[in-house]
Amino acid sequence: TQLLEQSPQFLSIQEGENLTVYCNSSSVFSSLQWYRQEPGEGPVLLVTVVTGGEVKKLKRLTFQFGDARKDSSLHITAAQPGDTGLYLCAGAEYGNKLVFGAGTILRVKS
Amino acid sequence: DTGVSQDPRHKITKRGQNVTFRCDPISEHNRLYWYRQTLGQGPEFLTYFQNEAQLEKSRLLSDRFSAERPKGSFSTLEIQRTEQGDSAMYLCASRRSTTAETQYFGPGTRLTVL
Repeated sequence: TQLLEQSPQFLSIQEGENLTVYCNSSSVFSSLQWYRQEPGEGPVLLVTVVTGGEVKKLKRLTFQFGDARKDSSLHITAAQPGDTGLYLCAGAEYGNKLVFGAGTILRVKS
Repeated sequence: DTGVSQDPRHKITKRGQNVTFRCDPISEHNRLYWYRQTLGQGPEFLTYFQNEAQLEKSRLLSDRFSAERPKGSFSTLEIQRTEQGDSAMYLCASRRSTTAETQYFGPGTRLTVL
């Protein structure tokens, strides 16, 4: 089974600051998905990246898939308290299951 | 609501009892996945179906666990003789097999075994 290492595990920042979350693996994934999860709820999809080197923007969130499709990053600009939550990256093994990182708990203080 | 639904949302049971969870995927999604998530961890794959066929099972899925998708629509996950270590969030996800690999998750069933 392929493994995904996600860092940092926990991030506490002030409103307005920028941050980056990293997701790394030694294995290649056919695609990578980022989710956000609230306590007691299921993960909610933010984005899917498929092509090596791909960059996708979702308002203040920027997602990048590494050229070799082994790593990804999530950058948040001017974080807001509403961004608080658990961020999960998940790599898709060809055609099948998702392999998840352990998650990054983000806390944005006002 | 056209999302993935799960029932119940919460289940408290005593050790040794059997429990069954239900998942209704997004209509026309022929792939259905079950994951388990413990506190402080990302979800871990348990099993998945393409239509009614169960195509893969994780080693995490002991003999006490069984999953079905009899008509290729909803799915059930049963845990027999529950143990305290079974306490977790059980998540269901679905996707179309013919499109990108994005999986959409339900709200989960939180199981507590006393």
